[in-house]
Amino acid sequence: ILNVEQSPQSLHVQEGDSTNFTCSFPSSNFYALHWYRWETAKSPEALFVMTLNGDEKKKGRISATLNTKEGYSYLYIKGSQPEDSATYLCASVTGNFNKFYFGSGTKLNVKP
Amino acid sequence: DTAVSQTPKYLVTQMGNDKSIKCEQNLGHDTMYWYKQDSKKFLKIMFSYNNKELIINETVPNRFSPKSPDKAHLNLHINSLELGDSAVYFCASRRTGNNEQFFGPGTRLTVL
Repeated sequence: ILNVEQSPQSLHVQEGDSTNFTCSFPSSNFYALHWYRWETAKSPEALFVMTLNGDEKKKGRISATLNTKEGYSYLYIKGSQPEDSATYLCASVTGNFNKFYFGSGTKLNVKP
Repeated sequence: DTAVSQTPKYLVTQMGNDKSIKCEQNLGHDTMYWYKQDSKKFLKIMFSYNNKELIINETVPNRFSPKSPDKAHLNLHINSLELGDSAVYFCASRRTGNNEQFFGPGTRLTVL
């Protein structure tokens, strides 16, 4: 079992604030790192899939970076909006049959 | 035109009963997964099938038996349900490679 940790567990910010979260994962047998956005009462939806050390991905105001050597990924949200409120999950994928190991998520609440 | 669908959405049953949850995807994906969301909100992988072949079988009681009649379906049958089986079960699918998972809406199982 892979230990994937996310911090902080929860975050409350004001509309317009920029914020970031961390995902830590074991760097051995690394295959890919996924980020998902999970709104209450819905299913997780993919944000990014990253594979290479130094990868940076961007989608609108959300971006992510990857460091496979030290085993961490950051997710950034610029100018948070209330609609960004959700739980953000990361998953480390191993080379063995592409097993997904999810972190417990960071729950973001953006206040208007 | 739901991509990944699960039935039923809610299932309430007595201890000791046998029940099934169905999952279907219309995305043409070759890999499907079952996850259990535990009490701490972790998504824990249970099973994965690739082209109808079981490729991941985590430490899950053998009361849980997945069945994949074809690439588009992965059903989960649970025998002799126990209180601890109460959870939300998510099905997901993806195309092999560096591709994201698509999740179903989840099935909330309550064992009384």
